[in-house]
Amino acid sequence: DADVTQTPRNRITKTGKRIMLECSQTKGHDRMYWYRQDPGLGLQLIYYSFDVKDINKGEISDGYSVSRQAQAKFSLSLESAIPNQTALYFCATSDSSGGVTGELFFGEGSRLTVL
Amino acid sequence: AQSVTQLDSQVPVFEEAPVELRCNYSSSVSVYLFWYVQYPNQGLQLLLKYLSGSTLVKGINGFEAEFNKSQTSFHLRKPSVHISDTAEYFCAVSEKNNFNKFYFGSGTKLNVKP
Repeated sequence: DADVTQTPRNRITKTGKRIMLECSQTKGHDRMYWYRQDPGLGLQLIYYSFDVKDINKGEISDGYSVSRQAQAKFSLSLESAIPNQTALYFCATSDSSGGVTGELFFGEGSRLTVL
Repeated sequence: AQSVTQLDSQVPVFEEAPVELRCNYSSSVSVYLFWYVQYPNQGLQLLLKYLSGSTLVKGINGFEAEFNKSQTSFHLRKPSVHISDTAEYFCAVSEKNNFNKFYFGSGTKLNVKP
């Protein structure tokens, strides 16, 4: 099983609908991230969380919200989806303990299409 | 904020040929540098990283990268590519005093032809 699991892997929805993307990890990492990937733009940070009580906005947080339900779970919500939120979304984790390694561990992605 | 530039959006190359994927970053502070690879329909995985020490870093699958502080570059190289290296490659930077924020380049698609 994957260490970082995202559900759903694919979702098609309509404009105005509320969508939640979920991420769970078994790596025991304290830090979790949501990124968005658009062709030719690389990855853009939406939100990140350093522990359960810590939530921070990234570069492109408008139109998104997150919830860190537990150390292992970090969900991303689109309250009212719009077509330009069509993208591939990645959850990632990192570990602050044991010194600086800086490595991010990614899930396999959730492809969202908003019609 | 950091800026990471990958000058080539696509690099076609024949199998067994050498390849270099370029990455430049803008920074006035010390940084950590990374290359990630994304195979089709998969998430990103770490290829190699530079934290400190030797400026030549070796990674998985025969890839290596060289940190050049004066040119603010971290180019990725492989002396002989395989078909299986076909993927998208992302350069990323994090600041040493804020290493939990990562800045990614726009990616380079490596297409290895037989």
